Order: sequence, then structure tokens, then C-alpha cells
Amino acid sequence: ETGVTQTPRHLVMGMTNKKSLKCEQHLGHNAMYWYKQSAKKPLELMFVYSLEERVENNSVPSRFSPECPNSSHLFLHLHTLQPEDSALYLCASSQDLNRGSSYNEQFFGPGTRLTVL
Amino acid sequence: AQSVTQLDSQVPVFEEAPVELRCNYSSSVSVYLFWYVQYPNQGLQLLLKYLSGSTLVKGINGFEAEFNKSQTSFHLRKPSVHISDTAEYFCAVTASGSRLTFGEGTQLTVNP
Repeated sequence: ETGVTQTPRHLVMGMTNKKSLKCEQHLGHNAMYWYKQSAKKPLELMFVYSLEERVENNSVPSRFSPECPNSSHLFLHLHTLQPEDSALYLCASSQDLNRGSSYNEQFFGPGTRLTVL
Repeated sequence: AQSVTQLDSQVPVFEEAPVELRCNYSSSVSVYLFWYVQYPNQGLQLLLKYLSGSTLVKGINGFEAEFNKSQTSFHLRKPSVHISDTAEYFCAVTASGSRLTFGEGTQLTVNP
């Protein structure tokens, strides 16, 4: 596998379910990101991890819980979601600022299309 | 902090016509600029980037963009589009020490 991979590609869940999204990067990067992309809305940055430490959490509801066990893997744990959480969830990675890169070029995975019923 | 404005949310064109997707940015420091493309139900793919040097940047699939510092613009162009170029295009800006900031996207639709 190369680049950034995400599984599953599609997920349908009920509001009472618990599920997890997985992201893996094979680029040797040290920063990872979760974005939410809803129809007709701009990309929303949800979380940023740098060297497995969460460095940014942009007012995301607690029903979304990220986990970064190492610099290659990132998870997004989901529980008691709402229908308005249906969206494309994108993972990205980069070399983080001041740790090997002066600019923040991000590489994206294909996304997980989430539908909450 | 930086900001990006994509001036057109939708751009419909006919096949083989030229196209320009407009992007303006705001920053008080030197910037690095990117264009990403997103095909339906896929993630974002880097189309091209401006880091330094020549202001005309060539990317994949025949696209190019020109960095204009005086007008704070980074417009994307292609001389002749194909049906397969139908996608959403995102302009993004970053500066040294800052995270990537995306524009709201421009939907390019190429009609036969």
C-alpha cells in the first residue's frame, strides 16, 4: 500500500451504534488530520495530531473521539451520531511544521462516506 | 493567518473550451499555494503547487496556474478541457509555521 488509505470506504450506521474509521499513512509523515466534508459546505478541519499528540480540536462534539496510537495510524471512534453527521470523512497526513517541513503540504486518503440513519 | 477566496462556486464549460478557475488569497507573509482536485466520491489529489521560483506552475492533466503576488491571486487554467476534468477544485494556502487553509471549492462541470 502506498500513500494514505482509509477503511471502510462506506459506512451506514444507526444513531445508537458505535463504529470506528481507520486511516493509515505509508509516507513517513509525523502529522495526521481528520476533516469532515458535507455537501455544499467547505472542508472542516476536525482534529490534528503531531507525533501522536493531539494539537488541535476544532470544537468537535464529543460523539467523535480520535485516537492516534502511532504516527502511521489514526482512528475516529463514533458513537451516538446524528443524521447531520452524515458526510465524507477525509484523513490526511503531512510532515509537520518545524519538524522537517517549512510548509504544510497535505496528502489525502480517499475518504469514508458515512451515512447515519 | 491566511485566507483563501475562490471566486466561483460553479463553472460550467463545454468540452475542448479553455477554463480558468479563480483563487485569491490574503496573507501578510510569504505563502505557498496549492490546487487540489477531488473527483466524485474520492479524496483530494494534489494538482500543482507553488513554493518559489517561476510564477507559472505546471501540474498534472494539462493544468497550470500563475502566481501573481501583486494581485494576490493563483488562478488555475487549462487550454482545452475534457469531460474527465469534471470535478471539484480546491485552492489552498499555507505559510511557514501555519497550517493549510482551503477555499470553499469550485465545481467544474464539462459538458459535451
